[in-house]
Amino acid sequence: DARVTQTPRHKVTEMGQEVTMRCQPILGHNTVFWYRQTMMQGLELLAYFRNRAPLDDSGMPKDRFSAEMPDATLATLKIQPSEPRDSAVYFCASGLTELAKNIQYFGAGTRLSVL
Amino acid sequence: AQKVTQAQTEISVVEKEDVTLDCVYETRDTTYYLFWYKQPPSGELVFLIRRNSFDEQNEISGRYSWNFQKSTSSFNFTITASQVVDSAVYFCALSEDFSGNTGKLIFGQGTTLQVKP
Repeated sequence: DARVTQTPRHKVTEMGQEVTMRCQPILGHNTVFWYRQTMMQGLELLAYFRNRAPLDDSGMPKDRFSAEMPDATLATLKIQPSEPRDSAVYFCASGLTELAKNIQYFGAGTRLSVL
Repeated sequence: AQKVTQAQTEISVVEKEDVTLDCVYETRDTTYYLFWYKQPPSGELVFLIRRNSFDEQNEISGRYSWNFQKSTSSFNFTITASQVVDSAVYFCALSEDFSGNTGKLIFGQGTTLQVKP
């Protein structure tokens, strides 16, 4: 049963620390998306990749967030330095195609708490 | 501009009741796709259905059914004979088919469904 795997599931850190979240997309999927979920804003798209190339990261605070795909099996989202307002659930999703009909399959999320 | 509105923030029903979750969307495109996802208490978003803008046939899958009406820009989701396991947050989402789009999803705010025994 193929699924998107995210690690860690939970992360508690102190303000100013670096946070790295990892995602293993479903094998064969060529698009990867990062979302952030908060009570106030709901689900927001942060960044997405096609064939490992970043296509749009306009949803990310550029000064502290960065997203990469070192290889086809790993996507990372880093926050440096972290702030309390970054506390949220971060989801990774992958899909088979870059077209509008793309079905995105989500991981279980990383729940981040920045104290 | 594209937008998805789920006006019902929370719904509470008693088991075996039928319940309908509303979804209204706005889009500039003639070709688009609508989705429903379920987020159970465990937190993962689970894909339920995808519908394209040219297919207005209603769809039924077990106790779930979807009513797509372009005339009212709505894509409503009905659960028949609800069960406690249906308790979750349900999201409606839109993807538009225009040049440069890469399958970006616009999500509604979600409807929290509580099914009581």
